[in-house]
Amino acid sequence: KAGVTQTPRYLIKTRGQQVTLSCSPISGHRSVSWYQQTPGQGLQFLFEYFSETQRNKGNFPGRFSGRQFSNSRSEMNVSTLELGDSALYLCASSPEGGASGYTFGSGTRLTVV
Amino acid sequence: QKEVEQNSGPLSVPEGAIASLNCTYSDRGSQSFFWYRQYSGKSPELIMSIYSNGDKEDGRFTAQLNKASQYVSLLIRDSQPSDSATYLCAVRSLKAAGNKLTFGGGTRVLVKP
Repeated sequence: KAGVTQTPRYLIKTRGQQVTLSCSPISGHRSVSWYQQTPGQGLQFLFEYFSETQRNKGNFPGRFSGRQFSNSRSEMNVSTLELGDSALYLCASSPEGGASGYTFGSGTRLTVV
Repeated sequence: QKEVEQNSGPLSVPEGAIASLNCTYSDRGSQSFFWYRQYSGKSPELIMSIYSNGDKEDGRFTAQLNKASQYVSLLIRDSQPSDSATYLCAVRSLKAAGNKLTFGGGTRVLVKP
């Protein structure tokens, strides 16, 4: 069974640009969550999608957005990149129901210069 | 007060000893608790889940939950150098819809041969 796939693995962007990250969940998983991980702040929740609907949103500015498609694949977008957006972005999927833990993808390492 | 708190460590244990990790949480409505292990440069992987008070054992790992005291712990028996990693405690609260997990900052464990 394939795991959670995130693309790309690494990205280098310039301040002010925008970026789109992609996540394909485990087959059959309909919940997809996104986290930002930095050394200083740890794992910070961005948002969760289920059946193409955003169910939860963390405390991030509106520059961070996401969406989910009918096949449960998800994308997150960050516009007007800032240096502080440099981080590991992790996608996680889980089965329907919400009681299970997540399975994380390998992450996308974003560097903003 | 952080929602989920862990001692950042490092927790240094000799090979073969028991490593004891603690996690406290602030939301009494929390119902699902998870321990993740994260190796340096890798994404977190789920190692234990616990939902009711008491102990749950899986191989060399034992998770302990005390909802009255709002803490969850992880014991690693017969610690091996391969157990050296950061251990993340995650909590799911009834307050949040869907499947949002809140993570602690992690405890770094070093197992010395």
